[in-house]
Amino acid sequence: ILNVEQSPQSLHVQEGDSTNFTCSFPSSNFYALHWYRWETAKSPEALFVMTLNGDEKKKGRISATLNTKEGYSYLYIKGSQPEDSATYLCAFISGSNYKLTFGKGTLLTVNP
Amino acid sequence: GAGVSQSPRYKVAKRGQDVALRCDPISGHVSLFWYQQALGQGPEFLTYFQNEAQLDKSGLPSDRFFAERPEGSVSTLKIQRTQQEDSAVYLCASSLRRQENQPQHFGDGTRLSIL
Repeated sequence: ILNVEQSPQSLHVQEGDSTNFTCSFPSSNFYALHWYRWETAKSPEALFVMTLNGDEKKKGRISATLNTKEGYSYLYIKGSQPEDSATYLCAFISGSNYKLTFGKGTLLTVNP
Repeated sequence: GAGVSQSPRYKVAKRGQDVALRCDPISGHVSLFWYQQALGQGPEFLTYFQNEAQLDKSGLPSDRFFAERPEGSVSTLKIQRTQQEDSAVYLCASSLRRQENQPQHFGDGTRLSIL
């Protein structure tokens, strides 16, 4: 059974704060790591797909890093805005078996 | 439409009833996935189709769950004799091919409540 852990479970920040959260996954037989943002009443939206150790990806104020040797990925949000409020999910793919194994997510609330 | 469409958005059923959940993937997407998200959990894999072939159904929790995609496009997830533990959000996702380094495109989900 693959274990994907996300921390913290929830997070409250003020508008303008920068924040980050963690996804940890098995370091063996890594293939890819996905990050999704899931706003209430909407569909999960893909943020990043990361495949290489040391990968850093950026999309606007959001960026992510990947360390496959130690089995973790960080998601950073710079200058949080209320519209960033959502659940951030990471999902791990082992080997090349197409199945996403999700963590439980980090619920981010940005207060205006 | 441009995205993955799921219907109904909400479904309330009495324990013991059968339900059917529909997924319309993005046109041309070969791969289709179903996930179940229970309260407080991340989405969990149920089943995977490549075109009309169901290549993996290892995540279906019991033989009351059945999925099909007869023409390689629309998919239906059927749950027979529903139980309270079936209450969850059911997500459908599609991707162009079976490419693990490409994101999956999700629908809004169907929130199923079993009374």
